[in-house]
Amino acid sequence: EIVLTQSPGTLSLSPGERATLSCRTSQSLSSTYLAWYQQKPGQAPRLLIYGASSRAPGIPDRFSGSGSGTDFTLTISRLEPEDFAVYYCQQYGGSPITFGQGTRLEIK
Amino acid sequence: QVQLVQSGAEVKRPGASVKVSCKASGYTFTSDDINWVRQATGQGLEWMGWMNPKSGNTGFVAKFQGRATMTRNTSISTAYLELSSLRSDDTAVYYCARGFPGRPGDFLHWGQGTLVTVSS
Repeated sequence: EIVLTQSPGTLSLSPGERATLSCRTSQSLSSTYLAWYQQKPGQAPRLLIYGASSRAPGIPDRFSGSGSGTDFTLTISRLEPEDFAVYYCQQYGGSPITFGQGTRLEIK
Repeated sequence: QVQLVQSGAEVKRPGASVKVSCKASGYTFTSDDINWVRQATGQGLEWMGWMNPKSGNTGFVAKFQGRATMTRNTSISTAYLELSSLRSDDTAVYYCARGFPGRPGDFLHWGQGTLVTVSS
């Protein structure tokens, strides 16, 4: 099983700041199979990034993804109030599909 | 537009079974796998398994094998997850999810979630 470790656990920032979230995989992963999701309380997750760097339909361009091998990053260039949520990375390059434990992005 | 609409909340006793439905619309139901993901309160996301609606083939994470069953009714574009021998740690929100063409594991579409509470 590929284990995904996200850091930090909680990130406290202010609107307008830049957020950088990390996801490390326990073994090398093709970037094709790395995705990022946003989840707000009481809602289903929302796909933000697939293939490590491609934005899903309707996702603002302040969200970007990068990385390869075992290190992947989600960057939010300038935080909007609606961006404060929990973020998960996910892989499906190995079976079973696994998610990271999440990074909570909170307002400072 | 694509929609996945799930059945309502359930309360079950330990040892019972629950069956959650996921009705798809806005696309050809048999074209893409349906996946099931659960989330205990305040916890992260846990992928449970997948079903190919066309063939009925399924695959599960090892911990659910023998206890989870995924079925479908193609005539009404609905997928089902049944979980038996329920325990208190099965209390969670259960989501169905679907990828998109060429990207089966990138879950673009999600149901609204079904809360299953297991309590004596």
